[in-house]
Amino acid sequence: DTAVSQTPKYLVTQMGNDKSIKCEQNLGHDTMYWYKQDSKKFLKIMFSYNNKELIINETVPNRFSPKSPDKAHLNLHINSLELGDSAVYFCASQDRGFYEQYFGPGTRLTVT
Amino acid sequence: DQQVKQNSPSLSVQEGRISILNCDYTNSMFDYFLWYKKYPAEGPTFLISISSIKDKNEDGRFTVFLNKSAKHLSLHIVPSQPGDSAVYFCAASDDGATNKLIFGTGTLLAVQP
Repeated sequence: DTAVSQTPKYLVTQMGNDKSIKCEQNLGHDTMYWYKQDSKKFLKIMFSYNNKELIINETVPNRFSPKSPDKAHLNLHINSLELGDSAVYFCASQDRGFYEQYFGPGTRLTVT
Repeated sequence: DQQVKQNSPSLSVQEGRISILNCDYTNSMFDYFLWYKKYPAEGPTFLISISSIKDKNEDGRFTVFLNKSAKHLSLHIVPSQPGDSAVYFCAASDDGATNKLIFGTGTLLAVQP
C-alpha cells in the first residue's frame, strides 16, 4: 500500500537508448511532479502536472517527455539518453491547497 | 542562482544533544517552508513545516524557527537520536499559484551513539 511508487528502482542503459520511468500515487492527489537529483545531490524540479495537465516545465531538454494518462499516474520518457542524464529521478504528489509533497523511492538511472 | 541554501554540508552530534540545521533563502516572496528527511536509497519524507506568518512550529522533538528579517530558518532536533542520522533538506514555496518547492542542497546529519 505504498503511497507513491516508482518503477524501476534501478535502470542501467547505454547512450542513445530511449527509456521510461513510471510513477503511481494512491493518495488521491491532483498534482504530481518529477524531480532530478544530480551527482551534487541537488534536488531540482523538472515537471509538474495537475489533473493530467502540464503546469510546470523547468527548461528541461525536450528529450524528456512526461505523460499523465490519469491523475494517479505520471510517467517520464527519455529519448536519446546522454551520460549527463545519469541521476536519481524522484516522483512526488501533492494534495490541492497543500504545500507538502510526498515522494516516491526514486529511480537511479545510469547511462553508460 | 540558488534561492535556498544550506551552507553546512554535514553536521555531527552526540546522541541526546541538540542538532541545529540551518537554511537561508534569498526570495522574500517565499511564504511557506518545509523540512524533509532523506535516508539513503529512499525518497525524501516530509518532517515539519512553517508558514511565513509564524516564527516557530513544534512537533515532538522537532522545532522549526523562522526569522523573516534575516531570511533564515533552522530545524532543532532535541534530543538527537541515532535514527535521526540522514540528509535533511530545507524547501521553500515560491508562490501560491503552483505551490512549487525550491530545495536546498541538504545537510548530512550524523548522530553518534
